[in-house]
Amino acid sequence: EAQVTQNPRYLITVTGKKLTVTCSQNMNHEYMSWYRQDPGLGLRQIYYSMNVEVTDKGDVPEGYKVSRKEKRNFPLILESPSPNQTSLYFCASSGSNYGYTFGSGTRLTVV
Amino acid sequence: GDSVTQMEGPVTLSEEAFLTINCTYTATGYPSLFWYVQYPGEGLQLLLKATKADDKGSNKGFEATYRKETTSFHLEKGSVQVSDSAVYFCALRNTNAGKSTFGDGTTLTVKP
Repeated sequence: EAQVTQNPRYLITVTGKKLTVTCSQNMNHEYMSWYRQDPGLGLRQIYYSMNVEVTDKGDVPEGYKVSRKEKRNFPLILESPSPNQTSLYFCASSGSNYGYTFGSGTRLTVV
Repeated sequence: GDSVTQMEGPVTLSEEAFLTINCTYTATGYPSLFWYVQYPGEGLQLLLKATKADDKGSNKGFEATYRKETTSFHLEKGSVQVSDSAVYFCALRNTNAGKSTFGDGTTLTVKP
């Protein structure tokens, strides 16, 4: 089944403790992207990647890092999480038709 | 920069009513336009898309037409069902670009 898999689905962590949210797609898509969803703010793009080793900032990149060493994987790294990064995160991938396929989401709480 | 403005919600309709959710955009170049749907507790799913002016995207009874002259991409459905209750997002993406811009989402509730 074609899908984008994110892990974990839920995560509670403490301020300053580094964490990684993994994302993997099995559709051989070139484009991958991370979004955060917050009430009243809609969906905002954090980082995106147009291919292996090619990444760029979205609208809200501060406090996040990404890497794209393999085509299928696009992990999101929070080096020093803060409470304002508490949010619902989505990974997505896209091929040449430009419509994104989204993962099921990761609900992150930073205390 | 690019932006997408959606009709504010929430929208509440009775079953079999006609649905319109307005979406207008500002963008450079010639973006592709999308509607996504998000059911409770799930990720977004692509509902329909249009890649150039005057294209009509359609899926599951939903339709939207890419209107360049009015920079709009309004979502319509002739007869909604309870199962259509969800949050709907309008989005744009410029060709060969990884960057996408989403509207704030419109919550639709359909009552029996």
